[in-house]
Amino acid sequence: QVQLKETGPDLVQLTQTLSITCTVSGFSLTTYNVHWVRQPPGKGLEWMGAMWNGGGTDYNSAFKSRLSISRDTSKSQVFLKMNSLQTDDTAKYFCARSVARGVMDAWGQGASVTVSS
Amino acid sequence: DVQMTQSPSNLAASPGESVSINCKASKSISKYLAWYQQKPGKANKLLIYSGSTLQSGTPSRFSGSGSGTDFTLTIRNLEPEDFGLYYCQQHNEYPNTFGAGTKLELK
Repeated sequence: QVQLKETGPDLVQLTQTLSITCTVSGFSLTTYNVHWVRQPPGKGLEWMGAMWNGGGTDYNSAFKSRLSISRDTSKSQVFLKMNSLQTDDTAKYFCARSVARGVMDAWGQGASVTVSS
Repeated sequence: DVQMTQSPSNLAASPGESVSINCKASKSISKYLAWYQQKPGKANKLLIYSGSTLQSGTPSRFSGSGSGTDFTLTIRNLEPEDFGLYYCQQHNEYPNTFGAGTKLELK
């Protein structure tokens, strides 16, 4: 059974760093890609970046150099780290898997993060 | 980045009716358009990809059409479980981009 689960803090202070872990089961990180997508409250979905099955990464330039994605294949985990958080980074953060061309066929339920001053 | 314009933003319908949701890309994305359903407390669900290919498990009352810049999701004979939010996504190039969503509500 394919599962993805995001875990991270509910609250992060302004200008601090957000760290979220996506733990997957039922598939291998060396076969599937894992994407990060976020959704601010009441708004649409925004692609943030991806960890490719070969170990490379790609990022949405909207996040400039704030965003970093890494993985630990032995633990079936993919990590999102984003620094210099602002209030408009308040969102639900999803991880999702794809096999090709960004078609995300399985998603986690998301981790809600509030950035507080 | 490719801008995706989705319409309508809200749609009210009754079970048994048919509805259509449109998605327009700011430039050609060939056939590479996906549709997702979002419901509270549930993981987002891939319905259709590459414009018209049904994801395994998607009921046949869902269909997708279009290519280039204009795409449509049609749901025939609406079932109660079909009400929720729908998003289109272009998967032709990175960054993948999504439409703003369509809320399908019970009339």
